[in-house]
Amino acid sequence: AQSVTQLDSHVSVSEGTPVLLRCNYSSSYSPSLFWYVQHPNKGLQLLLKYTSAATLVKGINGFEAEFKKSETSFHLTKPSAHMSDAAEYFCVALQSGGSYIPTFGRGTSLIVHP
Amino acid sequence: EAGVAQSPRYKIIEKRQSVAFWCNPISGHATLYWYQQILGQGPKLLIQFQNNGVVDDSQLPKDRFSAERLKGVDSTLKIQPAKLEDSAVYLCASSLAFAPYNEQFFGPGTRLTVL
Repeated sequence: AQSVTQLDSHVSVSEGTPVLLRCNYSSSYSPSLFWYVQHPNKGLQLLLKYTSAATLVKGINGFEAEFKKSETSFHLTKPSAHMSDAAEYFCVALQSGGSYIPTFGRGTSLIVHP
Repeated sequence: EAGVAQSPRYKIIEKRQSVAFWCNPISGHATLYWYQQILGQGPKLLIQFQNNGVVDDSQLPKDRFSAERLKGVDSTLKIQPAKLEDSAVYLCASSLAFAPYNEQFFGPGTRLTVL
């Protein structure tokens, strides 16, 4: 069975400072990994995904994530936070090995202060 | 391209009543997912369809929840009878194929309140 752990339920940053949202996964197989964002009263939207082509993945709105197999991590970063980044962020693992069943982390709420 | 459609958007029922949610995925998407998202938690997969077959329903409370995707297109999720703890947002998502790396596209969700 796979699991996804988002280490922080809330992250608070000031506008213009770096963002780090942490995600660790546990899987018997090498999973596919995704980050989704959920703005208030809006649907979930894909930020980026790890496809094994490159360990550093770039997504929309300046976000990127690095896959580190040795640490079983897929942390999400952004150099400079913007007020519009305030949202809920979910790390998702898609189990490989033929089943492709998705597992969501509990979510991290990003708060951006002016 | 039209997105994933869900209806109704909101539903309020009394406990022990029945309720049904409908989802129409993006045209051509073979895989359809139903999730339950309780306030403050991440979405929990209830059931995953590949065309009209079930891939996984291990977390679906089968004594009260049922889902079908008869023609491999739209899908219905039913709760009968509802309990207070079923209050949540029910999300439907679809993806193009049954494969790794496929992005899921989410609908707006149905917010269920059980009184």
